[in-house]
Amino acid sequence: ETGVTQSPTHLIKTRGQQVTLRCSSQSGHNTVSWYQQALGQGPQFIFQYYREEENGRGNFPPRFSGLQFPNYSSELNVNALELDDSALYLCASSLVGGLSYNEQFFGPGTRLTVL
Amino acid sequence: AQSVTQPDIHITVSEGASLELRCNYSYGATPYLFWYVQSPGQGLQLLLKYFSGDTLVQGIKGFEAEFKRSQSSFNLRKPSVHWSDAAEYFCAAKNFNKFYFGSGTKLNVKP
Repeated sequence: ETGVTQSPTHLIKTRGQQVTLRCSSQSGHNTVSWYQQALGQGPQFIFQYYREEENGRGNFPPRFSGLQFPNYSSELNVNALELDDSALYLCASSLVGGLSYNEQFFGPGTRLTVL
Repeated sequence: AQSVTQPDIHITVSEGASLELRCNYSYGATPYLFWYVQSPGQGLQLLLKYFSGDTLVQGIKGFEAEFKRSQSSFNLRKPSVHWSDAAEYFCAAKNFNKFYFGSGTKLNVKP
C-alpha cells in the first residue's frame, strides 16, 4: 500500500509569484485535505476536496485554490505569493464512506519559502 | 469561535516517568477528536482518535486519551515515556468538513 506522497519537498519562490504543490493520495482514498503549518504553529486547515469538488474551506483567501483529479491526486495553487505564505504545506488523504472516514493520513509536506 | 487549545507549549519529563498532555476544545457539540505526533521534518502520524462510545481510547505506542465532556477535554497520557517519544504532539478536532488543530506541545525527554 502506497502512502501519501507530496512534491516537491522544498521550494523557494519570490513574492508575487505563483506556486503549485502536488499530492498523491493513499491508495483507495477519495478525499484530500490541505493544511498550512507555519513555523512553530499547528496545521491550519485550508480546504478539503471530495469527488473533485471543494467541500470544506478554512479561513484562507481565494488566492489559495485547489484541484482534485479523477485518480484522487490533488494540487494546491497559491497565487500572488506573500512572505507569510512561507510554511510547511501538508496534504492528507482519507476515505469517505467507510469506518475509517475521519482518519486522515498525512504526507511529509512541502516546505515553501517565499523571499 | 471553534478552537482547540493546548495550554502547554513545552513539557520536559524524565525517561520512564508518566506523561499527560492537555487538550481542550470549544464547540457546540462533541466533535471527533484526534491526537497526532510530528517528529522533526516529518508529517503527522495519528496516535489515536475518539468518535463516540467509550471515553478512554487506546492508541499506538502505548498512548491513551480520555474524553471528558464536562471539561471539554481530551488529554493524552502515557504511563512510561521513552526517549523516542520526544516530538511535537498535536490535538485536533473535526467538526463537519473542517479540521482544527491546536498549536502543539513539544515534548522533551530527559535521560
